[in-house]
Amino acid sequence: GEDVEQSLFLSVREGDSSVINCTYTDSSSTYLYWYKQEPGAGLQLLTYIFSNMDMKQDQRLTVLLNKKDKHLSLRIADTQTGDSAIYFCAESKGGSYIPTFGRGTSLIVHP
Amino acid sequence: DADVTQTPRNRITKTGKRIMLECSQTKGHDRMYWYRQDPGLGLRLIYYSFDVKDINKGEISDGYSVSRQAQAKFSLSLESAIPNQTALYFCATSVGREVDTQYFGPGTRLTVL
Repeated sequence: GEDVEQSLFLSVREGDSSVINCTYTDSSSTYLYWYKQEPGAGLQLLTYIFSNMDMKQDQRLTVLLNKKDKHLSLRIADTQTGDSAIYFCAESKGGSYIPTFGRGTSLIVHP
Repeated sequence: DADVTQTPRNRITKTGKRIMLECSQTKGHDRMYWYRQDPGLGLRLIYYSFDVKDINKGEISDGYSVSRQAQAKFSLSLESAIPNQTALYFCATSVGREVDTQYFGPGTRLTVL
């Protein structure tokens, strides 16, 4: 199976919260990332979390990590049309630190 | 000015042609990467380089080659392009440390007819 799995699409109404989920298989993953790709652009790092943390909050973004279930989520509060993008989950570990990316979740925000 | 630039931004070519995609960076990073993005398949690593004298294959290197001409330049070549190499190609750089943020270029859209 894939190292990092995400659902491909999520549709939400403007103003609602969005929750994008990710599962990974490697229990030795040390760093977990969320990247955002806006239309016509490359990926940009949104946030990251260390594997020894449960939660990280940064303004409208909340990252939750369940290490036992190898489950990562990104919650976007008060989702806006400008949040429409593809969101990639990624994991890396000590040594090379090269990330393994999921397939990306397309977030569609409608009025 | 952009920190990571890619040329060309779009390219249409024919099967069998040799194509070179170029990447330049002004971030001073040692590490550089080439990825391809296909709809529904996410990002897959083609090649990576940890410094000028270090080149490594990624998960999908067949049909591709790379050259690291300088710390700032990393080019990707398709020796004989085929239609299933039609994709969006990204170059990225990183420092190479524990929280190793990758900085991506804007991408090159390649179509092989």
